[in-house]
Amino acid sequence: QSVLTQPPSVSAAPGQKVTISCSGSSSNIGNNYVSWYQQLPGTAPKLLIYDNINRLSGIPDRFSGSKSGTSATLGITALQTGDEADYYCGTWDTSLSGWVFGGGTKLTVL
Amino acid sequence: VQLVESGGGLVQPGGSLRLSCAVSGLTFSNYWTSWVRQAPGKGLEWVANIDGDGGEKYYVDSVKGRFTISRDNANNSLYLQMNSLRAEDTAVYYCAGDRSGNNIKYWGPGTLVTVSS
Repeated sequence: QSVLTQPPSVSAAPGQKVTISCSGSSSNIGNNYVSWYQQLPGTAPKLLIYDNINRLSGIPDRFSGSKSGTSATLGITALQTGDEADYYCGTWDTSLSGWVFGGGTKLTVL
Repeated sequence: VQLVESGGGLVQPGGSLRLSCAVSGLTFSNYWTSWVRQAPGKGLEWVANIDGDGGEKYYVDSVKGRFTISRDNANNSLYLQMNSLRAEDTAVYYCAGDRSGNNIKYWGPGTLVTVSS
């Protein structure tokens, strides 16, 4: 059971939009920066969004991050088949004195 | 920037293994560095991290007392000494780093550790 809660899967058609939620608590999301990672099959994770809302250089503006209270959201617009991947949220947990990740969300572009 | 892990392999339960990570393309001593693992078919699990000068170290509860993270800034290298290995430690281990410690920007390709008799 992960400290951060993500939906196991989301799906949408090409060109559509999806959002992936990440729910935590005051000891993690509520008081620390959230980042989002994309993991394509068979590859290492890749940082997409850092410090809650900032896109890493080279990441298309189709990807966006937001945070409110103890939850964060990754948005992806104009979906492409190449966006099919697992997506993880992550942040520091002050109570645990360690990093925590969400369980991951598998995005399927139908 | 490159991070390249080595040292993975097959080890028996109760055995030890030392992972290494060679880092290039950045000022290594300015970066927090971490080990993150992923069991087969499972999600990401942070294992441990260490600050730039090695003074701060943190571990996930499941490896405390068994794993030790360390670094050699003179050789731009990160290590993970793993003792008393268990079947549940089987995973791909990623070396990762970030300047701020608020995110994990750079990742290596990973090295597979299999704990089995």
